[in-house]
Amino acid sequence: DSGVTQTPKHLITATGQRVTLRCSPRSGDLSVYWYQQSLDQGLQFLIQYYNGEERAKGNILERFSAQQFPDLHSELNLSSLELGDSALYFCASSVDSANTEAFFGQGTRLTVV
Amino acid sequence: GNSVTQMEGPVTLSEEAFLTINCTYTATGYPSLFWYVQYPGEGLQLLLKATKADDKGSNKGFEATYRKETTSFHLEKGSVQVSDSAVYFCALSGDSGNTGKLIFGQGTTLQVKP
Repeated sequence: DSGVTQTPKHLITATGQRVTLRCSPRSGDLSVYWYQQSLDQGLQFLIQYYNGEERAKGNILERFSAQQFPDLHSELNLSSLELGDSALYFCASSVDSANTEAFFGQGTRLTVV
Repeated sequence: GNSVTQMEGPVTLSEEAFLTINCTYTATGYPSLFWYVQYPGEGLQLLLKATKADDKGSNKGFEATYRKETTSFHLEKGSVQVSDSAVYFCALSGDSGNTGKLIFGQGTTLQVKP
């Protein structure tokens, strides 16, 4: 158990809908990262938050947004969903902003139908 | 930009065989290098890491040496077990912006047969 908790584990939704994925980092970790894993794109970095502030942005679509709350948990919001958004979404956390070791959650599998 | 290239899989080996999974990288500066492992239905777990040139990371019989001259970080194990069957990802961090993001290779699936 990595100590990173993601909910829900599975999500099935229709095109055009909006979903929210939740992540609780390991105790004491200030950074949260979101990654998308798909068959065609592999593991892609989406966004990083550090202590509530956005720290780095990857190839995150404008339809996607994230935030980190004062209690350090994070949410990834995906809207106007398309079939191609179906993927495994991972959250990871690390102690500081310049990662030396990230711990990953078990992921949320999103299926858009 | 920074990138990681891994050898294509799947790799199929018999138990007790020697394993090498090749990984090369392109990066500016001095990134840290990692190997992560993903077992079926699970998240990624850090297997080993190296933070500077000539460092050797090791864990659970796996080893990898940070080779700056060849920009490589190949994963090796002397004798694989069926339980090593998983997907292995090479990754680098140390982005120029000093963020913690990881850049992953495409992953290599390892299947070990009894």
